[in-house]
Amino acid sequence: NAGVTQTPKFQVLKTGQSMTLQCAQDMNHNSMYWYRQDPGMGLRLIYYSASEGTTDKGEVPNGYNVSRLNKREFSLRLESAAPSQTSVYFCASSVVPNQPQHFGDGTRLSIL
Amino acid sequence: AQSVTQLDSHVSVSEGTPVLLRCNYSSSYSPSLFWYVQHPNKGLQLLLKYTSAATLVKGINGFEAEFKKSETSFHLTKPSAHMSDAAEYFCVVSLNAGNMLTFGGGTRLMVKP
Repeated sequence: NAGVTQTPKFQVLKTGQSMTLQCAQDMNHNSMYWYRQDPGMGLRLIYYSASEGTTDKGEVPNGYNVSRLNKREFSLRLESAAPSQTSVYFCASSVVPNQPQHFGDGTRLSIL
Repeated sequence: AQSVTQLDSHVSVSEGTPVLLRCNYSSSYSPSLFWYVQHPNKGLQLLLKYTSAATLVKGINGFEAEFKKSETSFHLTKPSAHMSDAAEYFCVVSLNAGNMLTFGGGTRLMVKP
C-alpha cells in the first residue's frame, strides 16, 4: 500500500525560483493537508482541503498556493522561493478533518 | 481555541526502563486526542487515539496513554523502552467534527543502551 506519496524527496532552489510539490493519496480520503516542520516548531499547517473542490488557509499560508487537482492529488506551489521557506514539507490525508491523518515521508527543501 | 503542550522537549531513558512522555491540552469540550511517532527522515505514524470510549488507550509497539479529564492530560507510557523507540513523539488534539488537528511541539525520546 502506497498511502501518501510525495515528490520530490529532496530539492534545492535559488531565491526567487518557483516550484510545485506534489502529493497523492490512494486511500480515498476526503481531506488533505500541507504542513511544514522546522526545528523546535513542531508541525505547522500551511493549507488544507477538507474535501475535493475546497481549499483553506492554515496557520502559515503566506508565500504558498495550493491546488486540489482531484480527490487524490493536492499540490503546494512556491511562486518565489525565499530562504525562510527552507523546511521539511509534509503532506497528509484523512477521511474527514478531525480524524487521524496519514503522512507522506516528506520533501526536504533548501532555498539558497 | 484548542492547544496542546508537551511538557518535555527531550526525554532520555535507559533500555528496559519505563517511558513517560507528558502532554496537557486546553479545551472546553471533550477532545479527540492522538499520539504520533516520527522516526528520522520519515513521516508521522499514528501510535494511538482517544475518542471518548475507554480512558486507557492501547496503541502499537506496547505504548499506551491515559486520558484524565480532571487534569486535562494525555500522557504516553511504555513499561520497557527499546532502542527502536528512539524517535520524536507528537501529542495532537482535535476539538470536534470539522476541527483541524493541533500538534504539540514534540518530545524527542533518546534510549541509552
